[in-house]
Amino acid sequence: QKEVEQDPGPLSVPEGAIVSLNCTYSNSAFQYFMWYRQYSRKGPELLMYTYSSGNKEDGRFTAQVDKSSKYISLFIRDSQPSDSATYLCANGMFSGGYNKLIFGAGTRLAVHP
Amino acid sequence: DVKVTQSSRYLVKRTGEKVFLECVQDMDHENMFWYRQDPGLGLRLIYFSYDVKMKEKGDIPEGYSVSREKKERFSLILESASTNQTSMYLCASRTPTGGQPQHFGDGTRLSIL
Repeated sequence: QKEVEQDPGPLSVPEGAIVSLNCTYSNSAFQYFMWYRQYSRKGPELLMYTYSSGNKEDGRFTAQVDKSSKYISLFIRDSQPSDSATYLCANGMFSGGYNKLIFGAGTRLAVHP
Repeated sequence: DVKVTQSSRYLVKRTGEKVFLECVQDMDHENMFWYRQDPGLGLRLIYFSYDVKMKEKGDIPEGYSVSREKKERFSLILESASTNQTSMYLCASRTPTGGQPQHFGDGTRLSIL
């Protein structure tokens, strides 16, 4: 079992839809949680990060963490074609003296006009 | 803004060649990382470096080595390239404070023929 799992998609939605991207993990030692967005032929860029269970909002994006069920979500409101990208969840912990980050394989999102 | 620059966007090499991938960051970050990204597998850590002249193996170091002679530069070396090393290679850097995120370059797509 992979430590961090994501549905690869692709997920195709119409412009304006609410998008829900999900991630599950198996290791309860993870202490912080990040979402990266990766456009085609580009490197991942940080979208959001949080250290605790609950919701964190930033504009049209909301990250939700449920540590009890080891479940992480990213919600995108009023989705735009410019949101079309691959979304990677990344979980972090302090291990062996450094901050270890484990990535999911990513979910590909397509928002069509 | 953090800038992580990878010297080549696309590279084609032959099996058995020694291959050098270069990465430079401009934010004086102590930590630097090399990942490879393959479809369905996500990002896998090859090597990382806490600071100048320091290096640690990641999850898949076999067939690779690294060099960190200056703080801003981290090189990945494929000692004798093989076809199974065809992949997207991503470099990242970060400050070591707490759970700070990693900042990525745009990647080098390496093909070994």
